[in-house]
Amino acid sequence: GDSVTQMEGPVTLSEEAFLTINCTYTATGYPSLFWYVQYPGEGLQLLLKATKADDKGSNKGFEATYRKETTSFHLEKGSVQVSDSAVYFCALTTGYSTLTFGKGTMLLVSP
Amino acid sequence: DTAVSQTPKYLVTQMGNDKSIKCEQNLGHDTMYWYKQDSKKFLKIMFSYNNKELIINETVPNRFSPKSPDKAHLNLHINSLELGDSAVYFCASGTPKNNEKLFFGSGTQLSVL
Repeated sequence: GDSVTQMEGPVTLSEEAFLTINCTYTATGYPSLFWYVQYPGEGLQLLLKATKADDKGSNKGFEATYRKETTSFHLEKGSVQVSDSAVYFCALTTGYSTLTFGKGTMLLVSP
Repeated sequence: DTAVSQTPKYLVTQMGNDKSIKCEQNLGHDTMYWYKQDSKKFLKIMFSYNNKELIINETVPNRFSPKSPDKAHLNLHINSLELGDSAVYFCASGTPKNNEKLFFGSGTQLSVL
């Protein structure tokens, strides 16, 4: 079945540091890939997505590129802020299937 | 207006009790979901309803019973609560043709004592 593997957290960074959160996937067919973010005390919200190979999703300074050859969709940001502290979920779907989420990676950014 | 709203936000109860969590969406979506998030933030789907019909029922104890009176509402009733039911429960909604973008409620923190 489909699965998503994310790096374990927490990831602890200082403000303005570079962020990478790794995500790899296993899926039948050609999935669409997503990053969701969960801020403290809130539900998940879509951060960015990519629907085909080599697509780059971007939003709020975050980027992720759909790499079919390495089955990866790593999340990056050049300069993190304290307000980026949250839990980040990588996810995929194939066609009409329900989203499959990774286990989430907590990011903690200190001033 | 809140797109997906669930109540209550916090629920503290004793083992053995029965409780309900309500969810409503005003987005006109056909599909609604219940997810359970444990203390390690792992998110697991429990149920999915499409237009009031159950379409996904993962391995969940039958003490958990979803009810969808109409496509805008999906309530979760839990009988005989156990310690292991303590978690955050999220309601979400989406559309079958665009179900990758789910809209989540803000969660219900359930604590079973």
